[in-house]
Amino acid sequence: AQSVAQPEDQVNVAEGNPLTVKCTYSVSGNPYLFWYVQYPNRGLQFLLKYITGDNLVKGSYGFEAEFNKSQTSFHLKKPSALVSDSALYFCAVRDGGTGGFKTIFGAGTRLFVKA
Amino acid sequence: NAGVTQTPKFRVLKTGQSMTLLCAQDMNHEYMYWYRQDPGMGLRLIHYSVGEGTTAKGEVPDGYNVSRLKKQNFLLGLESAAPSQTSVYFCASRPQSLGSPLHFGNGTRLTVT
Repeated sequence: AQSVAQPEDQVNVAEGNPLTVKCTYSVSGNPYLFWYVQYPNRGLQFLLKYITGDNLVKGSYGFEAEFNKSQTSFHLKKPSALVSDSALYFCAVRDGGTGGFKTIFGAGTRLFVKA
Repeated sequence: NAGVTQTPKFRVLKTGQSMTLLCAQDMNHEYMYWYRQDPGMGLRLIHYSVGEGTTAKGEVPDGYNVSRLKKQNFLLGLESAAPSQTSVYFCASRPQSLGSPLHFGNGTRLTVT
């Protein structure tokens, strides 16, 4: 069965500093990996995805993520954090080995960027 | 283009009452999903559908039923609500392609007293 772990409930960074939000996954087949962001009282918004190819993928709002197959990780990064990046971030995985019908989410990591 | 629309936005039920949450999408997506979001637990998949007339169980299907009579609509039913079903419910849809991201509605906040 596929699963996702986000080991940090909250990440605190100062504005202008780099940020990393961690994610590890488990699947039986090829992983399809996603990051989403949620602002208060809203649905989730898609940030970026890894399907195949280059291990560093770039997404919306200056975010990027690094896929590491040996460590089964897909960490979200941004070189310089903004206060407006403060939100709830979810990592998600789809298992290509079981048809890829289901998308399973991690528990979420709250990012707090201090001015 | 409204995307994914959920109704109602808020609802309060008494234990034992029933209700139906409606999800509608106007993007002609094949796949539709119902998730619930609880603090510290992320989003958990309740049921999903890969096409009109088909449904399948997710991670936490007990106490819920679904129907997909039309491609654009996915209904989530609670036959006898319990306080444990107090949650925020999100509907999502996507095209058939494996790499396509989910499109989410804005959620329904349900409280069962």
